[in-house]
Amino acid sequence: DQQVKQNSPSLSVQEGRISILNCDYTNSMFDYFLWYKKYPAEGPTFLISISSIKDKNEDGRFTVFLNKSAKHLSLHIVPSQPGDSAVYFCAAGTGGYQKVTFGIGTKLQVIP
Amino acid sequence: ETGVTQSPTHLIKTRGQQVTLRCSSQSGHNTVSWYQQALGQGPQFIFQYYREEENGRGNFPPRFSGLQFPNYSSELNVNALELDDSALYLCASSPDTRVSRYNEQFFGPGTRLTVL
Repeated sequence: DQQVKQNSPSLSVQEGRISILNCDYTNSMFDYFLWYKKYPAEGPTFLISISSIKDKNEDGRFTVFLNKSAKHLSLHIVPSQPGDSAVYFCAAGTGGYQKVTFGIGTKLQVIP
Repeated sequence: ETGVTQSPTHLIKTRGQQVTLRCSSQSGHNTVSWYQQALGQGPQFIFQYYREEENGRGNFPPRFSGLQFPNYSSELNVNALELDDSALYLCASSPDTRVSRYNEQFFGPGTRLTVL
């Protein structure tokens, strides 16, 4: 049972344009959400998070939007840069400890 | 500040054998989580240790076990290896989980385990 779904396995975007990565979840008990970026041969690196009591969180070029009624979140990267090319994982957590459920990832390619 | 390190980098075992993977958490972090990432999948939560005690477990059989030491480093042990155990095993550390549930986790580079 995939509780966190990333339905787009890959995405190509021109440098300077906006990248939008989407994520859907099924478990209404999730109360915080995170995005991680992963380069080959490295572990995932934390990008940005959002609590379920918010609908938007911004950090520089990265903005995460949360739509609780639709159980949907998205990561916007503006402007996209070639160094952003990586696999992006959406993740969600619940409970008093950090059991984090990951999606399968979306591979982003930013074309110079 | 030293990041999360894992050893070994790669490992090849045969079915039925036992394996121990090691993780050193980032300085000041007392919580360690282990994940299994199969090819083409996202990381799957195995279990978490907080101050040397198991603090949550995912859907993995008992042959997956762990330890956390007083210096907060950790081990993942897998007994009776199966072919499906072939995966990247990731360790992640984070600051005191009781202070904030929203703490980001810092991942190591992983150990690539191949079971033949």
